[in-house]
Amino acid sequence: SQQGEEDPQALSIQEGENATMNCSYKTSINNLQWYRQNSGRGLVHLILIRSNEREKHSGRLRVTLDTSKKSSSLLITASRAADTASYFCATDAPGGGADGLTFGKGTHLIIQP
Amino acid sequence: EAQVTQNPRYLITVTGKKLTVTCSQNMNHEYMSWYRQDPGLGLRQIYYSMNVEVTDKGDVPEGYKVSRKEKRNFPLILESPSPNQTSLYFCASSLSSGENTGELFFGEGSRLTVL
Repeated sequence: SQQGEEDPQALSIQEGENATMNCSYKTSINNLQWYRQNSGRGLVHLILIRSNEREKHSGRLRVTLDTSKKSSSLLITASRAADTASYFCATDAPGGGADGLTFGKGTHLIIQP
Repeated sequence: EAQVTQNPRYLITVTGKKLTVTCSQNMNHEYMSWYRQDPGLGLRQIYYSMNVEVTDKGDVPEGYKVSRKEKRNFPLILESPSPNQTSLYFCASSLSSGENTGELFFGEGSRLTVL
């Protein structure tokens, strides 16, 4: 079942600008993950943030998590053409989570050169 | 190199002709899963497996079967494919599931067209 919902659905910015994508979810989570998908390719894991963490960095990526608002954001700084891709958030719910992650529908990011 | 390998990558078939999409991982992962991706619907889980001989239905299991006889392999079987199973399929694996699902490793995808 769908839990995460990314916003916006699509985003187009100029190279060098920062890109921010948001994810909202409905139930409590163990962790939240962000993935990138280049057109028609497999998803690639970017970053995982646990429910007791508020912010995490990885290179040009910054992820925040607000469990009180059930939301997360992914910030890509100094964007490059190669960042053009779809970005998905995925949540891992507590209580066993035997079915693993639940993915949102994604934000399609276009970086204009 | 750690990877999840799916085959075939592309397949065009006709309604009713049984087919199998293979998935193999070389990371000794316990957890494996199949997703389908359709425009506007995102990724939807078909079946998953917590370990050898343990499989369970995801959100959209109808028309599919799976097996997990070995830890590394998790084939997806379409006994009688129909046009509504035309989709992009992904296999994924993770070290473990349960209380904390870690990073998922995805295959490159199998684009299936059923005529």
